[in-house]
Amino acid sequence: GAGVSQSPSNKVTEKGKDVELRCDPISGHTALYWYRQSLGQGLEFLIYFQGNSAPDKSGLPSDRFSAERTGGSVSTLTIQRTQQEDSAVYLCASSPTEETQYFGPGTRLLVL
Amino acid sequence: SQELEQSPQSLIVQEGKNLTINCTSSKTLYGLYWYKQKYGEGLIFLMMLQKGGEEKSHEKITAKLDEKKQQSSLHITASQPSHAGIYLCGALPGYSSASKIIFGSGTRLSIRP
Repeated sequence: GAGVSQSPSNKVTEKGKDVELRCDPISGHTALYWYRQSLGQGLEFLIYFQGNSAPDKSGLPSDRFSAERTGGSVSTLTIQRTQQEDSAVYLCASSPTEETQYFGPGTRLLVL
Repeated sequence: SQELEQSPQSLIVQEGKNLTINCTSSKTLYGLYWYKQKYGEGLIFLMMLQKGGEEKSHEKITAKLDEKKQQSSLHITASQPSHAGIYLCGALPGYSSASKIIFGSGTRLSIRP
């Protein structure tokens, strides 16, 4: 069946611009996660959505980062006034339970 | 905060040989995930271990969890080119912290024909 999809696959932007990254989770999965992987580093948790509950935003690195999940399905991660240190691969994952997480292919963001 | 250390950081193995990757936690492990990452394909879930002494297999990949040592090992038998990639371990810092999985920095595995 269809897995988690993310768009765009690659994004190049200029410093100071806003970007939106999209995640389409697996249908029926109630949990959705955003992670960030910077060059040479492991995965960094950003935000977690579970059903209709308030999201866990504890991993967001600054107030320039925000995320929404509309209708319990698609999620958008927005980065305002991008900085060069925001360059990374942004990964989305969805899960039907609190255990297995299924990851999308990621969006590679490059801030010039 | 909990940290995960993976070793080795990179590994080059002759095709057909066995190999082991280790993941060691600085704190108690309540659950441990193993993922494989290939460029452009995202993360592939391999297996999750929850109980001390638990051992699971996925094709030619076997993982074990040693709670006392706060460590998990991933063993690949008779390695193949398809095993090449980055292997990541992830851990749950608590029983109800599935939202905040902590990941190691990964082990880059290359298979030499």
